[in-house]
Amino acid sequence: DTEVTQTPKHLVMGMTNKKSLKCEQHMGHRAMYWYKQKAKKPPELMFVYSYEKLSINESVPSRFSPECPNSSLLNLHLHALQPEDSALYLCASSQKWGGQETQYFGPGTRLLVL
Amino acid sequence: EDQVTQSPEALRLQEGESSSLNCSYTVSGLRGLFWYRQDPGKGPEFLFTLYSAGEEKEKERLKATLTKKESFLHITAPKPEDSATYLCAVKETSGSRLTFGEGTQLTVNP
Repeated sequence: DTEVTQTPKHLVMGMTNKKSLKCEQHMGHRAMYWYKQKAKKPPELMFVYSYEKLSINESVPSRFSPECPNSSLLNLHLHALQPEDSALYLCASSQKWGGQETQYFGPGTRLLVL
Repeated sequence: EDQVTQSPEALRLQEGESSSLNCSYTVSGLRGLFWYRQDPGKGPEFLFTLYSAGEEKEKERLKATLTKKESFLHITAPKPEDSATYLCAVKETSGSRLTFGEGTQLTVNP
């Protein structure tokens, strides 16, 4: 099983709303990531969790708040977003084992901020 | 700072017309070079990780190769379903982040 799941698939929210994106993997990966992707651009790293601890925050505005409740789950809490935050939000997980490293992405959540 | 440059930006092929995509990189120490395929509106699909110069990996009509400065993704006898954006990314030995190139948008016409 090489699946990373994300919910919801689509989300429309107003600038005053609070919402959360969810990500789950059951591959035993100990590193999990949030990326933001705009149309026709590559994914941009937002946060990295390693062994359930935040290890990288790419200077992301505080209106994005990540959370890693356990080794299989990753959340991204959204509050007071701006229209320019509309994008595809991707979750990923990775593991290095036996000299081989893989990083799998989920299908993404398409977010529209009105 | 790690840099990844992909070329061409866009490539149109006829079905069956083989070609190659290029990924040039600059990194202080390479931990791995990753290739992904991405369809519109979907998450990137993992294809390969390459680790050292001279390494090659194959999957169906795709073959990835690696040198000390670049990687090639060779597509043999492509089919329309191979149409997608192909992304290359590097991870350096001391880091945990992927640095992506801008991608190559491949279109295969029937």
